[in-house]
Formats: sequence, C-alpha cells, structure tokens
Amino acid sequence: DTGVSQDPRHKITKRGQNVTFRCDPISEHNRLYWYRQTLGQGPEFLTYFQNEAQLEKSRLLSDRFSAERPKGSFSTLEIQRTEQGDSAMYLCASSLDILGRISYEQYFGPGTRLTVT
Amino acid sequence: AQSVSQHNHHVILSEAASLELGCNYSYGGTVNLFWYVQYPGQHLQLLLKYFSGDPLVKGIKGFEAEFIKSKFSFNLRKPSVQWSDTAEYFCAVKKLVYNQGGKLIFGQGTELSVKP
Repeated sequence: DTGVSQDPRHKITKRGQNVTFRCDPISEHNRLYWYRQTLGQGPEFLTYFQNEAQLEKSRLLSDRFSAERPKGSFSTLEIQRTEQGDSAMYLCASSLDILGRISYEQYFGPGTRLTVT
Repeated sequence: AQSVSQHNHHVILSEAASLELGCNYSYGGTVNLFWYVQYPGQHLQLLLKYFSGDPLVKGIKGFEAEFIKSKFSFNLRKPSVQWSDTAEYFCAVKKLVYNQGGKLIFGQGTELSVKP
C-alpha cells in the first residue's frame, strides 16, 4: 500500500463539460475527505464520507458537485457544467476513525489539477 | 466562523538560520492541531501533530511546535534550516466534537525559501 492515489493527475476541460475524478484511499481507512485548493490558499473542505455515508458537505459544494463512495472504498467527485471558477487542485485524503471519537491524521493524495478553459 | 491564520505568506532565510512560523486559530473548544508541508511537486505530508499532553511536540526533520492554549497558537520552529526545507507549510485545525466532522481547517500557507 503506497498511500492515497488520485486519478487523473491533470484534467483540462472546456467550460460546460462534466468531469469526474477518482480517489483511492489507504486501504481500511474508513474516512475519506475531499478538499479544494486554489493558488496561494490552503485546502478548503468540500465533503467527507464515513464508509459509504456522506456525512458532511460544505456550502462550497454547489449542486453542480456530487460525490460518491458506493462501497466504502474508492470515491468519485463529479463536477457538472464546469465553470472557470472551478479551476483548482482537488485533493483527497483518508483517515482511520475509531469508535466515532478518535480521528487520526489525514493522509493526502497528490491531487487532481483541473483547468477549465 | 472558525479560522486559521498564518502570519507570513513568504519567508526567506539563509541556511542555518532559525525558523519560526506563526499560526493562530479561532475556536474555543478542544482541538487537534497539525502542520503539513508541501515540497515542490509533491503532495501534502504531515510534519507534526498535537492531540493532547505535552504542548511541545516534535515532528520529522527536526521540526517542533508549541501549543499555547491561552494564545490559541501553534507555532512551528526549527533551530537551523536547510535548503531542503524549501516548501510551503500549512497549519491546520480540527475541532473535536463527538461523532462529528474530522474536517481540517487550513491556514493560507507560508512559503519558505531557504537560500544555500
């Protein structure tokens, strides 16, 4: 196991197109997080899953964004009708949560850089 | 709203100089605190973390940080930087609320440039 992986690493799309990103967390990590990072800023939380349940969504996550984690393993983040403002690095992280009380550190993937032209 | 503030956007040091990067957060409850580092072309990596206990925590590569609860601060330090420490450093806070969240709130980052 080599850590969190994301695919693709780069995506260039035209405005109005739909895109989908994939994240494979560290195996047996039950929590999976999506963040977005723009130039000169720290990552901003988008949403997270505990196993297959999506438990929290940021108000940054407009209705054009949807995330899934159907079997509690990998996750996908889809952006419909992309806009230029969606251009950013999309980061995935995973962690192990025990008994709903203890969350250990999050391990980040390399990110998917989205450019909307 | 909860926020994390890093005092410097860009710090330039010569090798062997001492480093201190400031981080303050605004949340009155119990928190976990983290420093992540992002080397050029690489992904975010955990540098060190504070969960509880001794407020002075040591991380990898000679870094340490001190949690001062009364000041809501978690400053990162290193006595002598190396050229290889050139990277972007992010402070992050996680609120500890039972059975909720776990999301990290990041500061805007500090870019460190170390001159050989």
